Amino acid sequence: GENVEQHPSTLSVQEGDSAVIKCTYSDSASNYFPWYKQELGKRPQLIIDIRSNVGEKKDQRIAVTLNKTAKHFSLHITETQPEDSAVYFCAAVPVSLIHSNYQLIWGAGTKLIIKP
Amino acid sequence: EAGVVQSPRYKIIEKKQPVAFWCNPISGHNTLYWYLQNLGQGPELLIRYENEEAVDDSQLPKDRFSAERLKGVDSTLKIQPAELGDSAVYLCASSLGSGLAANTGELFFGEGSRLTVL
Repeated sequence: GENVEQHPSTLSVQEGDSAVIKCTYSDSASNYFPWYKQELGKRPQLIIDIRSNVGEKKDQRIAVTLNKTAKHFSLHITETQPEDSAVYFCAAVPVSLIHSNYQLIWGAGTKLIIKP
Repeated sequence: EAGVVQSPRYKIIEKKQPVAFWCNPISGHNTLYWYLQNLGQGPELLIRYENEEAVDDSQLPKDRFSAERLKGVDSTLKIQPAELGDSAVYLCASSLGSGLAANTGELFFGEGSRLTVL
């Protein structure tokens, strides 16, 4: 079955610098890759996602890139701010979203610390 | 529009006692998930419902955990008896539903129910 590995487990960056979190997946059939942000004590929330027919997607300071050949996808946060401090989870969906057996396979999470 | 509602937010019980968690998903969402999240770790799927049918309960410890989703809307997750290792946050999430072309894939999570077993 699908397996998602996420690195690093903890990332500390200076405020204003960029942060990059990488995930690799094993099932080449996976075609949907969301990223969730979970602030301390709060619920996970979707921040950006990408589908396999797209190589890159951007939303203001956040971008996600997908390399299907290498089976990895990355989250990029530019001009980091204190409110970016959180745990970020990547995930992969090994079947089509319209398949009846659609499910998310989660990475272990990355704790992002923004130093003032 | 209200999001996913869970209760209770916090529960402290002694081991061997029963506990139940309740979840009300977003209106119109056919798929409902119960996840377990330990401190510093990612969500682990316990059970997934499509309407009232449990389509994936392979990770649910059936000797002590049970769940139901009567009428395909609200859901309850029960633990009986609770053990020390069950201390965690129990997250409920909902999504529009598998098999639907309109499904964007996004899961909407509740605030979670934090269980402490003493």
